[in-house]
Amino acid sequence: GGIITQTPKFLIGQEGQKLTLKCQQNFNHDTMYWYRQDSGKGLRLIYYSITENDLQKGDLSEGYDASREKKSSFSLTVTSAQKNEMAVFLCASTPDWGGAGASYEQYFGPGTRLTVL
Amino acid sequence: QQKVQQSPESLIVPEGGMASLNCTFSDRNSQYFWWYRQHSGEGPKALMSIFSNGDKKEGRFTAHLNKASLYVSLHIKDSQPSDSALYFCAYTGNYKYVFGAGTRLKVIA
Repeated sequence: GGIITQTPKFLIGQEGQKLTLKCQQNFNHDTMYWYRQDSGKGLRLIYYSITENDLQKGDLSEGYDASREKKSSFSLTVTSAQKNEMAVFLCASTPDWGGAGASYEQYFGPGTRLTVL
Repeated sequence: QQKVQQSPESLIVPEGGMASLNCTFSDRNSQYFWWYRQHSGEGPKALMSIFSNGDKKEGRFTAHLNKASLYVSLHIKDSQPSDSALYFCAYTGNYKYVFGAGTRLKVIA
């Protein structure tokens, strides 16, 4: 088995601040994802990385940057935190991207809870 | 337009009862369908997948898929308080996972 760890667990920022969230996985998975979870809106894809050195924008990439430093780690940066923003950011991984012929279970971390004052 | 519509938004069932959760999809390219469960304070975990039309049973959980109707459902038999959680349906297509907004299930003793 493996595990996904996300740091920090709670993040409090100020309006306009640049904030970085980190994710590590020891599954040896190729593909990693960042999602944002708001109450009542499900999970929205921010960025994903098919393999090390790859970066793909999701539906909600505006206002965020991402970096796949190595196969096991994937970071997300909020470029300018918005006042009163509250959300949970979830990192996930799969063995590979699946393509058109396969679908893999996504393994999620416990999340980073962001509050912007 | 929401690509995945889940209903109901919330559901209360008595312990030992049946919980039924529904999803409709708008993308006819959807091929693979999943149910995920998220307990409070945790990340979502996959419950089961269903890729072919019909029913798939895993223990107390039964998923049903009708691709022509763009519909998938999850039925939880003999519901337990530990089943209280947020349930997401999701599909994969065009290399992405698309999640619904979730159904919050509460099982009361």
